Amino acid sequence: QVQLQESGPGLVKPSQTLSLTCTISGESISDGRYHWSWIRQHPEKGLEWIGYIYFNDNTYKNPSLESRLSISLDTSRNQFYLTLTSVTAADTAVYYCARVTTGYKHFDRWGPGLTVTVSS
Amino acid sequence: DIQMTQSPSFVSASVGDRVTITCRASQGIGAWLAWYQQKTGEAPKVLISGASSLQSGVPSRFSGSGSGTDFSLTITSLQPDDFATYYCLQTKNFPYTFGQGTTLELK
Repeated sequence: QVQLQESGPGLVKPSQTLSLTCTISGESISDGRYHWSWIRQHPEKGLEWIGYIYFNDNTYKNPSLESRLSISLDTSRNQFYLTLTSVTAADTAVYYCARVTTGYKHFDRWGPGLTVTVSS
Repeated sequence: DIQMTQSPSFVSASVGDRVTITCRASQGIGAWLAWYQQKTGEAPKVLISGASSLQSGVPSRFSGSGSGTDFSLTITSLQPDDFATYYCLQTKNFPYTFGQGTTLELK
């Protein structure tokens, strides 16, 4: 049974860079059947898709974040990563990593989420 | 971006009631729609994909329908565990977009 787990700092200062890791267990990130995605949820608000990466390093990013966003992976560690530069209070959110299925794409497995606060 | 509009935003209902939540896309998305349930402090859980395919392990009182721009999620005979927030998601076009959510509250 695949499991995903987010890790990273819970507090980041404005203008700094946010770096998060998603560790996958129970499945290889190199399995070509899936994409691997980041999603966030602002406090008391809805869900925002950030972007995803495929095992061959192809990435798809939300244009609203693209200029500040990098998504990468490390197959040897079975992990993928989010890097978001120049953060502001508007980036305060719960960050989720998730698996994207093939077929009618949807997020079928999620990590428990990591709360990130941007504050000085 | 494709805008996903859910209605209602809030609904009060009782155990045993039948509830329908709708989701409208700003342009046609075929059947590229999924429904999620989220409880406080938890990650969303997928209920329906491909507009109408029930995910494994999801109770049969949940059903989805629609295609193109208009979709619905119906819960028959509400159970105490169903009181949560529900979201639709389109994956027809990038960026993927969610509806704003519908909170189902106990009357």
